[in-house]
Amino acid sequence: EDQVTQSPEALRLQEGESSSLNCSYTVSGLRGLFWYRQDPGKGPEFLFTLYSAGEEKEKERLKATLTKKESFLHITAPKPEDSATYLCAVQAVTNAGKSTFGDGTTLTVKP
Amino acid sequence: DAGVIQSPRHEVTEMGQEVTLRCKPISGHNSLFWYRQTMMRGLELLIYFNNNVPIDDSGMPEDRFSAKMPNASFSTLKIQPSEPRDSAVYFCASRLAGGAYSPLHFGNGTRLTVT
Repeated sequence: EDQVTQSPEALRLQEGESSSLNCSYTVSGLRGLFWYRQDPGKGPEFLFTLYSAGEEKEKERLKATLTKKESFLHITAPKPEDSATYLCAVQAVTNAGKSTFGDGTTLTVKP
Repeated sequence: DAGVIQSPRHEVTEMGQEVTLRCKPISGHNSLFWYRQTMMRGLELLIYFNNNVPIDDSGMPEDRFSAKMPNASFSTLKIQPSEPRDSAVYFCASRLAGGAYSPLHFGNGTRLTVT
């Protein structure tokens, strides 16, 4: 069974204080790993897709990286508007139709 | 692109009543997913469709839950009878089928409260 574990559950940062969120996964052949952002009262919004170990994607202050066992979402010099819950999801080669989600990391950035 | 549209945004009902949640996927997307989100269990996949055909309903918790997709632009999730433990936020998502690398596009959900 595919499993996704995210840590920490919650992270509080000061504006400008860089940090990383972790997503550890167990899957029978990774087809893709996805990062989403979810704001209160809204559905998850897609950020990145990573396909193979060593791959990196960047968007503004966010950078996602992938190894064979985990992914990191690095946040550089965060701003209050980066406050949200960040969700990680995996799709397996054997079951590409389904995405298995982690429980998310809730990030709060204080000004 | 209007995005995935769900209705209603909020639903409050009494135990035993029938509840119907509705979803309009993004035009051109032919895979549709129903998820449920709770604090205790996170995001759980209930069922998904490819080209209007149910592919995997193993996440549907009980026979009280049913989902239909009569055409490419509309899907419903029905709970009958509803119970307090069904209280959650229900999300619909769509994506391009055949694009397993394609991300999911979520609606803003229906918050269901069963009293």
